Amino acid sequence: RKEVEQDPGPFNVPEGATVAFNCTYSNSASQSFFWYRQDCRKEPKLLMSVYSSGNEDGRFTAQLNRASQYISLLIRDSKLSDSATYLCVVSFTGGGNKLTFGTGTQLKVEL
Amino acid sequence: DAGVTQSPTHLIKTRGQHVTLRCSPISGHKSVSWYQQVLGQGPQFIFQYYEKEERGRGNFPDRFSARQFPNYSSELNVNALLLGDSALYLCASSLVGGDYEQYFGPGTRLTVT
Repeated sequence: RKEVEQDPGPFNVPEGATVAFNCTYSNSASQSFFWYRQDCRKEPKLLMSVYSSGNEDGRFTAQLNRASQYISLLIRDSKLSDSATYLCVVSFTGGGNKLTFGTGTQLKVEL
Repeated sequence: DAGVTQSPTHLIKTRGQHVTLRCSPISGHKSVSWYQQVLGQGPQFIFQYYEKEERGRGNFPDRFSARQFPNYSSELNVNALLLGDSALYLCASSLVGGDYEQYFGPGTRLTVT
């Protein structure tokens, strides 16, 4: 079983749609959670950290369910510029701040 | 403020050769991590350094080594290159070690022929 699992997509959605990505992780000792965005042939960019209470940043909302070992990202009012690969990322201190990445979910927002 | 910088941006090497990749972290950041990303996969952790000491190592062969300098910059060395080492090598910096947010540089794209 992979340490971090994501649906690879692609998710093709029209502009203005709401889209949700899910991610599961296998290490129950995981302590920190993030969503990164990666454009084609570019480096990953930190989108947001994910907290137990959930957090929101503009059109983006992240949720964490520790009991189910499940992380989600919701994007509202999708823009063409949101087209990218979204990487679910997990770390735990015992791993020396090693980030463990999922394979990413590809999003294509269309006119 | 400058972000994470890496050099070179692209590199072509032949099997069996050696390569050195360089990274400068964000000013004030003391921790550097290295990742390898092959096409279609998420980045895979190679090393983490904090205050010039290795704090974590991923599942990579001994051909891979790294070090961190007093100014917190870092080098990743790969010996006896294999075709399978062709990938994007990413450096990430964070303020300190531990569970802190990491910020990535643009990467070095290595092609081994």
